[in-house]
Amino acid sequence: DTGVSQDPRHKITKRGQNVTFRCDPISEHNRLYWYRQTLGQGPEFLTYFQNEAQLEKSRLLSDRFSAERPKGSFSTLEIQRTEQGDSAMYLCASSPQGPETQYFGPGTRLLVL
Amino acid sequence: AQSVSQHNHHVILSEAASLELGCNYSYGGTVNLFWYVQYPGQHLQLLLKYFSGDPLVKGIKGFEAEFIKSKFSFNLRKPSVQWSDTAEYFCAVIPSGGSYIPTFGRGTSLIVHP
Repeated sequence: DTGVSQDPRHKITKRGQNVTFRCDPISEHNRLYWYRQTLGQGPEFLTYFQNEAQLEKSRLLSDRFSAERPKGSFSTLEIQRTEQGDSAMYLCASSPQGPETQYFGPGTRLLVL
Repeated sequence: AQSVSQHNHHVILSEAASLELGCNYSYGGTVNLFWYVQYPGQHLQLLLKYFSGDPLVKGIKGFEAEFIKSKFSFNLRKPSVQWSDTAEYFCAVIPSGGSYIPTFGRGTSLIVHP
């Protein structure tokens, strides 16, 4: 399968713990996006990378969230000191360039107890 | 900042009925427009997109959408739905040029009765 992959698919954690998610984009896609999706809502933009550079970050993203894309390949999204409000599906998508079609991964479902 | 509004949150149709899902956006500049679909248990996937040119675009599985610039709308249509079209449908907008930050609507849940 050469699509976008995400790991883990599910994560249950206790409030206050740190969690890290990984996204492997389609190879040769230089843009990588992270989104958060809650029940009954569309994906909400968090941040995106062009190669290894983080170009935009949502103003809604608190300082507890950080993302990296070393070497411009896979990306990680870390949430520190998780809160119950962080419970959501975290989606990753990649695209070849600009506003082109984004290819989405299966998501990581996070539950914070 | 742009915003996207999908007016129909839940739609229930019988097979063979016609479908139209509304999508309106607000943004002062030129945009690229998308419809994504999420079938039960599957990833979000592209249904169709509009960048420029003919405002009537055709996508997969018999779907089409029309961009009406004066109305800031990009409604999705299908003349005859099938049970397999049961899914969540999301409209999305990405500004042309600049930051390319996407904005999605909250989605429309479509249930098609066989």
